Amino acid sequence: DAMVIQNPRYQVTQFGKPVTLSCSQTLNHNVMYWYQQKSSQAPKLLFHYYDKDFNNEADTPDNFQSRRPNTSFCFLDIRSPGLGDAAMYLCATSRDRASYQPQHFGDGTRLSIL
Amino acid sequence: DQQVKQNSPSLSVQEGRISILNCDYTNSMFDYFLWYKKYPAEGPTFLISISSIKDKNEDGRFTVFLNKSAKHLSLHIVPSQPGDSAVYFCAAKLSGGGADGLTFGKGTHLIIQP
Repeated sequence: DAMVIQNPRYQVTQFGKPVTLSCSQTLNHNVMYWYQQKSSQAPKLLFHYYDKDFNNEADTPDNFQSRRPNTSFCFLDIRSPGLGDAAMYLCATSRDRASYQPQHFGDGTRLSIL
Repeated sequence: DQQVKQNSPSLSVQEGRISILNCDYTNSMFDYFLWYKKYPAEGPTFLISISSIKDKNEDGRFTVFLNKSAKHLSLHIVPSQPGDSAVYFCAAKLSGGGADGLTFGKGTHLIIQP
C-alpha cells in the first residue's frame, strides 16, 4: 500500500513549457519535502513544507516553486524547464520536526526535457 | 562540497557473506544518520538509523555502526541475500530538531553474487 504517491511516474515536457509534478500522502505527516536527483548523484533537497510554512533551500533556483493546498498534497512547479532540469524528482514526508525520525519517500517522477 | 561521502560506487559480495557499506561525513553538526535502500524504478526505502548518542544499532540482519571521532559510519548486512542487491544511500540530518532535509551520499551499488 503506497503511502507517498507521486504522479506521474514519467513526465516529458518541452524546453520552457511549465510543468507540475504531484505528490500525495496517506500518512498524515506534517512535513513534506521535494528532492532532485540527477543521474549518479545524491538526492538534493529543493524545499520543504512544515504544515503550511514553506522553507526554500538557499541554492534552489527561482524557476522551482511549490504549493501545498492541504496536508495530503504537495506540488512542484517548474516555471520554465531547462535541459539541466531533467532529473528524478522525489517527494518525501516525515511526521513532524523532531530530529530522530526517518523520511518516507515516494517512487519519484522522472522528468525529461525535449 | 560533499558533506556525506560514499567512496565505493559499487560492491560485490557473495551470498551468505557479510556486506559492509561505508560512509564518511564532514559536518560535525550532523546528529542523526540513516541508511536507505533503493531498487531500480522505486523510491528510497528507509532501512535503519542511528542517533549520535549511540555507536551501534541493530535490526535483524542489519547493523549500523557510528564512529563520531572518525566521522564514519558503516552498514553491516549478515548474511547477505540476493534480495539485498540494490543501491544503498547513506544520509545525515543536522541537529536542532528542525525539519531540515537529509544530506545524502551518492550511493553504493551492492551486488550479491549467488
